[in-house]
Amino acid sequence: DAKTTQPNSMESNEEEPVHLPCNHSTISGTDYIHWYRQLPSQGPEYVIHGLTSNVNNRMASLAIAEDRKSSTLILHRATLRDAAVYYCILGYGKLTFGQGTILTVHP
Amino acid sequence: SAVISQKPSRDICQRGTSLTIQCQVDSQVTMMFWYRQQPGQSLTLIATANQGSEATYESGFVIDKFPISRPNLTFSTLTVSNMSPEDSSIYLCSVENHLGQGRSGANVLTFGAGSRLTVL
Repeated sequence: DAKTTQPNSMESNEEEPVHLPCNHSTISGTDYIHWYRQLPSQGPEYVIHGLTSNVNNRMASLAIAEDRKSSTLILHRATLRDAAVYYCILGYGKLTFGQGTILTVHP
Repeated sequence: SAVISQKPSRDICQRGTSLTIQCQVDSQVTMMFWYRQQPGQSLTLIATANQGSEATYESGFVIDKFPISRPNLTFSTLTVSNMSPEDSSIYLCSVENHLGQGRSGANVLTFGAGSRLTVL
């Protein structure tokens, strides 16, 4: 499985945008880029995914580098509820989770 | 997306016993996945369960320790056998989201809330 690299932790203030980076230099042509998040005491929840083009949904935006070796999850206005572990995952089929980024949101 | 119910939500077990975790989905799904999350760690895939066939286990996980049943398209069980304190973890069931299939070809997963096991 292709590997992803994420910062261990990041901090943000409420109402500010958050850019969560992910490096995946060994990504293959068929690998989708997925983002999931895990709120405290809950199972992971899907955030967004993409292949080559940038993607937007009601939760977030996904910006994918032209060479696909990195991507950024963008939360446009962080809320306290967005405090979670964010996982960047590559794959098509079964998904392998890395350590993720712990996002802390300050009031 | 699918709604998943897991039972039990938590349990405290004695060393050497076995516990079966149930995963019920509100719609028919082809692929079901069982993950383990050890304290303070990320998720590790245990096995993939397809209806009508033997589960496929990941490296480090064996059927004798983690037998899985998949009797139909809405239900699966994971048994943690002969438990030791090292098996204390959260066990999570997940399924492919039908909205993810077909629309983009990507595997979008929905997870249950997990079953937190503590082995004494």
